[in-house]
Amino acid sequence: EVQLLESGGGLVQPGGSLRLSCAASGFTFSSYVMSWVRQAPGKGLEWVSAISGSGGSTYYADSVKGRFTISRDNSKNTLYLQMNSLRPEDTAVYYCAMGYCTRTGCFWGQGTLVTVSS
Amino acid sequence: DVVMTQSPLSLPVTLGQPASISCRSSQSLLHSDGNTYLNWFQQRPGQSPRRLIYKVSDRDSGVPDRFSGSGSGTDFTLKISRVEAEDVGVYYCMQATHWPLWTFGQGTKVEIK
Repeated sequence: EVQLLESGGGLVQPGGSLRLSCAASGFTFSSYVMSWVRQAPGKGLEWVSAISGSGGSTYYADSVKGRFTISRDNSKNTLYLQMNSLRPEDTAVYYCAMGYCTRTGCFWGQGTLVTVSS
Repeated sequence: DVVMTQSPLSLPVTLGQPASISCRSSQSLLHSDGNTYLNWFQQRPGQSPRRLIYKVSDRDSGVPDRFSGSGSGTDFTLKISRVEAEDVGVYYCMQATHWPLWTFGQGTKVEIK
């Protein structure tokens, strides 16, 4: 059974940093691209970042480019999102998601809440 | 970026009656491999999104057959043949053709009248 468990969310002041983690199990982690998607309170879904299976290719939404860094440790089956220079508009639940979501096997975690506020 | 536009944004339905949600993309979702990667997600209150439909009309494992998807190119539809109480939530279309830049519709809130 595929499981994705996010952690690391919390309350942080504007300009601060936070690192999110997503622990994966139930599939061959290194074989899958992974992504982060966020959802502001009461709002819709926004793709944030993605990374190839090897970690050699990374992609970012314009809204987070230069501030967020996606990475992965395939030996630990864990995905990360380092978030720096946080802004109030980054407040959201952050979900990790496996795969391209083009065919079978598109799973999301339960999410972790990040609140950026003074 | 591909813009996904859903309608309606709010959909009150009577239990047992059908429901239909439209999704339009700003450009064709036909991939160079010949497939169209249009997904539908369901987000029940307090839960994370769960995919129901992929490649326009294929149901994910465990999804009831009252859910169906159709469409091509830029116009897509999700239909629920007979709405049940457990179908309450927000439904999102999402294009995966232009990965990694997934884009989502605004969401359609389905509620019981």
